[in-house]
Amino acid sequence: EAQVTQNPRYLITVTGKKLTVTCSQNMNHEYMSWYRQDPGLGLRQIYYSMNVEVTDKGDVPEGYKVSRKEKRNFPLILESPSPNQTSLYFCASSFYGELFFGEGSRLTVL
Amino acid sequence: DQQVKQNSPSLSVQEGRISILNCDYTNSMFDYFLWYKKYPAEGPTFLISISSIKDKNEDGRFTVFLNKSAKHLSLHIVPSQPGDSAVYFCAALTQGGSEKLVFGKGTKLTVNP
Repeated sequence: EAQVTQNPRYLITVTGKKLTVTCSQNMNHEYMSWYRQDPGLGLRQIYYSMNVEVTDKGDVPEGYKVSRKEKRNFPLILESPSPNQTSLYFCASSFYGELFFGEGSRLTVL
Repeated sequence: DQQVKQNSPSLSVQEGRISILNCDYTNSMFDYFLWYKKYPAEGPTFLISISSIKDKNEDGRFTVFLNKSAKHLSLHIVPSQPGDSAVYFCAALTQGGSEKLVFGKGTKLTVNP
């Protein structure tokens, strides 16, 4: 089954404690991306990757890092999370513009 | 600067009637447009798309209309069903570019039985 898998789905953490949200896709897509969804703001892109070892900033990259060492994985790293990073995060992969989304990771930073 | 705008945060319609969701864009370089549907606690799922070379694309109960001169597109759902209740996101991109999708803020559709 074609899918994008994110983990964890839910996480409560504290300010400053590094965390990683993993994302994996099994569709051999070259393009992957991370979004956050906040009330009234819709989906905002954090980082994206056109291919292995190629990453670029989206609209709201501050406080986040990513890596793309292999095609299927695109982890999102919060080195020092802050409360304003409390949000619902979506990973997605794409084939010619049609994005396939993961189920989301709800992160709460206290 | 918001390049893709969905000016109605919410819309409520009766079951069986038509739902019309609107989307405006400002970037004339956009040439491919998509609609995504999102249920609570799930990721967005692709619904329907349209290329700028067309002005209409139909898929079952869902039709997307594109008016390039007005930089406007709309999604029509006929007839609307309670299961269509969800948040609908309009998105746009420039083909051959970075594949970066630009999303609107979404419209929450409620279809009342």
